[in-house]
Amino acid sequence: EVQLVESGGNLAQPGGSLRLSCAASGFNFNTYSMNWVRQAPGKGLEWVSYISRRSTTIYYADSVKGRFTISRDNAKNSLYLQMNTLRDEDTAVYYCARGAGSGTPASDAFDIWGQGTMVTVSS
Amino acid sequence: QSALTQPPSASGSPGQSVTISCTGTSSDVGGYNYVSWYQQHPGKAPKLMIYEVSKRPSGVPERFSGSKSGNTASLTVSGLQAEDEADYYCSSFAGSNNNYVFGTGTTVTVL
Repeated sequence: EVQLVESGGNLAQPGGSLRLSCAASGFNFNTYSMNWVRQAPGKGLEWVSYISRRSTTIYYADSVKGRFTISRDNAKNSLYLQMNTLRDEDTAVYYCARGAGSGTPASDAFDIWGQGTMVTVSS
Repeated sequence: QSALTQPPSASGSPGQSVTISCTGTSSDVGGYNYVSWYQQHPGKAPKLMIYEVSKRPSGVPERFSGSKSGNTASLTVSGLQAEDEADYYCSSFAGSNNNYVFGTGTTVTVL
């Protein structure tokens, strides 16, 4: 079964850090780009970050640039998001999502999603 | 990068059709034939329903269809069923700043 399972969500203080993980199974992880997408309580979806198959191309939303770092370990079939200098507005459910397309970032659709992990930033 | 514009809500009776619009710019929706659509039920993860404007992943019913004209994409759900009641989001790549952008979301209600 193709599956993504996120972990690492927690309560953090403003200015603090958290590291999210996403474990992939049931497919060749190293042949797909990966993304983080978040959803604040009661709000819509917001794309956060993209990483290509071999980590050669990385993109960030302006709202997290300079604070968040995406990475992956293909040997461990895992995706990560290091979140630093957290703000109240980072409070959200964070989803990892597989990118599937014809080989360019623009062509990717998010075809497999995890169940999400909750990050709460509050003092 | 601003979110793509969708109507907040849409509704229809069982068996009827509903169409949701998704308006962007020439830098995102209008610039690529890679618009995708996602369905999200309350408390659940989003599910891919349409990719590359009009293609359906395996397992998605044929009554879901997509199209695009200029800077506006559309999702049509024909033959509405109770289980189609959900939030729907469009998405596109925005090449001007290498971002993906989602729509504001539309809540579909089956009357």
